[in-house]
Amino acid sequence: TQLLEQSPQFLSIQEGENLTVYCNSSSVFSSLQWYRQEPGEGPVLLVTVVTGGEVKKLKRLTFQFGDARKDSSLHITAAQPGDTGLYLCAGASGDNYGQNFVFGPGTRLSVLP
Amino acid sequence: NAGVTQTPKFRVLKTGQSMTLLCAQDMNHEYMYWYRQDPGMGLRLIHYSVGEGTTAKGEVPDGYNVSRLKKQNFLLGLESAAPSQTSVYFCASSRRGWGNQPQHFGDGTRLSIL
Repeated sequence: TQLLEQSPQFLSIQEGENLTVYCNSSSVFSSLQWYRQEPGEGPVLLVTVVTGGEVKKLKRLTFQFGDARKDSSLHITAAQPGDTGLYLCAGASGDNYGQNFVFGPGTRLSVLP
Repeated sequence: NAGVTQTPKFRVLKTGQSMTLLCAQDMNHEYMYWYRQDPGMGLRLIHYSVGEGTTAKGEVPDGYNVSRLKKQNFLLGLESAAPSQTSVYFCASSRRGWGNQPQHFGDGTRLSIL
């Protein structure tokens, strides 16, 4: 069973600060996705990374896929209260038929005004 | 656009009762999934479907059954509810297999088993 670990589990910061959250595994993934989930709603996809070492930017959010495709990070610059939410990473490997797809437990971020 | 719609949004059951959760998507997606979300454990896959008339087991299938008689609908059934099935259930769909495809989620069904 492939496992994804996320750290930190909880993070509370002030508006304007920078932060990085991590997604780690001992397994290799063919692709990795980051989702954000707000209270009372389902997760919403932020980005998909597929190439080792790949970096993608989405406004103030920067996502990186590790060279070995076992880990990923999400960096937020100048965090805003609207960034508050649960950040989930999800990794896929093998074929497309679902045996090897897993979500991490998430990092719960709170950005205080 | 409705996207993925789950009904009901909330439900309280007694141990041993049965119920069906309905998921409907209007995006003509081939793949549909049922997850449960428990504190500190992320989303765990219960069952999934790769097309109309197909179903397959995920990570935690015991105690649940599913059906996909129509492409747009994916039903999750609990035949005899147990307190361990208290959770938030999410349905999702994707155009093709996950990984490179975004999964579109509903807003969840909050289920309590007393």
